[in-house]
Amino acid sequence: DVKVTQSSRYLVKRTGEKVFLECVQDMDHENMFWYRQDPGLGLRLIYFSYDVKMKEKGDIPEGYSVSREKKERFSLILESASTNQTSMYLCASTSSYEQYFGPGTRLTVT
Amino acid sequence: KNEVEQSPQNLTAQEGEFITINCSYSVGISALHWLQQHPGGGIVSLFMLSSGKKKHGRLIATINIQEKHSSLHITASHPRDSAVYICAPNSGGSNYKLTFGKGTLLTVNP
Repeated sequence: DVKVTQSSRYLVKRTGEKVFLECVQDMDHENMFWYRQDPGLGLRLIYFSYDVKMKEKGDIPEGYSVSREKKERFSLILESASTNQTSMYLCASTSSYEQYFGPGTRLTVT
Repeated sequence: KNEVEQSPQNLTAQEGEFITINCSYSVGISALHWLQQHPGGGIVSLFMLSSGKKKHGRLIATINIQEKHSSLHITASHPRDSAVYICAPNSGGSNYKLTFGKGTLLTVNP
């Protein structure tokens, strides 16, 4: 059974804090993704990675960075959290046939 | 950029009814995913299809690549089918980057 896990289900941070969201997959997938999901806007791609140390910007990369030092782990970093980054963050990894999503992290920035 | 339109945005049905959700996209694709998200829940991949039709229990997905259109059908709908259904075309390439529709909220009443 493919598993994509995320480090936290709920997170509350203060404006200006540096925030790390961790994602781990156990199926040796090369491609991993970070999305945010907001009401009325749907899922939007922040960054993706197609191999260790390789990354590409998605549609809304501003205010975010990523790290992929090991194949199974893809981290999303909010360098200085702002209130407009309050959202549901979803990680996914993909084989050639399916995208597997993590359970999501609901981040609130106050 | 691939523009994805889903219809309807909201759908309420009585248990047992036949449901159809439609998805149109603007750019040629290699495959299309249908995803399901229950309220407060994670996202699950239902289908990936690149041509024709696929069936999984009471769910049927069809795609017409030339017309850039896909449909998701649910036969004999049940309250447990209540969820958001998301269409996500893959524009191709080896990184399996998806574009997402905004989703259709389905409510099935007993």
